[in-house]
Amino acid sequence: GENVEQHPSTLSVQEGDSAVIKCTYSDSASNYFPWYKQELGKRPQLIIDIRSNVGEKKDQRIAVTLNKTAKHFSLHITETQPEDSAVYFCAASKGNTDKLIFGTGTRLQVFP
Amino acid sequence: GAVVSQHPSWVICKSGTSVKIECRSLDFQATTMFWYRQFPKQSLMLMATSNEGSKATYEQGVEKDKFLINHASLTLSTLTVTSAHPEDSSFYICSARDRAGGAGVTEAFFGQGTRLTVV
Repeated sequence: GENVEQHPSTLSVQEGDSAVIKCTYSDSASNYFPWYKQELGKRPQLIIDIRSNVGEKKDQRIAVTLNKTAKHFSLHITETQPEDSAVYFCAASKGNTDKLIFGTGTRLQVFP
Repeated sequence: GAVVSQHPSWVICKSGTSVKIECRSLDFQATTMFWYRQFPKQSLMLMATSNEGSKATYEQGVEKDKFLINHASLTLSTLTVTSAHPEDSSFYICSARDRAGGAGVTEAFFGQGTRLTVV
């Protein structure tokens, strides 16, 4: 089955700097790659997603890139702010409504 | 966007008792729902896929007789933790993806989660 690896497990940056989180997946049939932000005790919140027919997607300070050949995708956050501090998860799925398999998570801390 | 509602948000039960968690899709029909478990500081681990009108599909290592799943309608799936023990204490979250519109990859929506504490 699908396996998703995520790095780093923790990431500390200064406010205003950029943060990059990377994920790799194992199933070449996967076609949907969302990123979630989760605050303690809360449900995951979708922040951006990308489909396999696109190589890059951007939404204000957040961008995601996908390399299907290498089977990896990355989250880029620019101009980080303290409120960006949270745990971020990548995920992968195949098919239109198939299960999501999550990465191990990255705890991002943005220091003022 | 679509809404998935999960109830209760937290529950404390005695060891050996059973607990039922409900997951509802409020404004769309979900023939498939997913149940995840999340231990502190860990990722969301898929437990099972709930299929409307048929048996759930369990992930490897998940005891189907302990975690009973029922998906009796297109908007409701339930997870029952039977004979709960302290090691079952965790955050349980359900998810559903809106299939409306047919083709195309769709976003997954999550319930609020249920914090289960077994004492």
